[in-house]
Amino acid sequence: KAGVTQTPRYLIKTRGQQVTLSCSPISGHRSVSWYQQTPGQGLQFLFEYFSETQRNKGNFPGRFSGRQFSNSRSEMNVSTLELGDSALYLCASAGGQETQYFGPGTRLLVL
Amino acid sequence: SQQGEEDPQALSIQEGENATMNCSYKTSINNLQWYRQNSGRGLVHLILIRSNEREKHSGRLRVTLDTSKKSSSLLITASRAADTASYFCATDVQWNAGNMLTFGGGTRLMVKP
Repeated sequence: KAGVTQTPRYLIKTRGQQVTLSCSPISGHRSVSWYQQTPGQGLQFLFEYFSETQRNKGNFPGRFSGRQFSNSRSEMNVSTLELGDSALYLCASAGGQETQYFGPGTRLLVL
Repeated sequence: SQQGEEDPQALSIQEGENATMNCSYKTSINNLQWYRQNSGRGLVHLILIRSNEREKHSGRLRVTLDTSKKSSSLLITASRAADTASYFCATDVQWNAGNMLTFGGGTRLMVKP
């Protein structure tokens, strides 16, 4: 099976802009989770979607949002970008409730 | 905030030596997982150990879990230069309510040839 794919792999934006990141899970996986990784805060959970519904949510401001489509593909959106949003954004998919399989990530740089 | 802490933060060893990394966490867990990350790339799942298990093996990897001490350790035996990476423990505290991993700060392992 193909692994988790994320697009784009790299992105440069300026403060105040918005950005949309995409994640395609492993075929058959219905759960998609998003994580943010920064040098200062480490890996932090953003949210999880399952069957087009947000099932869990981390402690991030409302500028961070996401959605999941009927084919399980997911997008996350960050509005009004801040410098601190510069990070590696990782998507993970799961077929059950345990092992999560991560994509290569999208590296976002906010200038 | 992070669920747990990893110790040491960095570890440098020679090829062929064993590497041991420790992870402590704060709350009751459903399972604990170890991941590897190479140079800021995606995470690779290594092993999962459930809360009712005490030890698990996978190739050169050995993971132990002590729920009374809320701690886990990852042992890599006969290390290779290719094992150079960051290693993270992650706890799953969601009981039948989805996937939500809480990660430790990671251990940076360098294996010198």
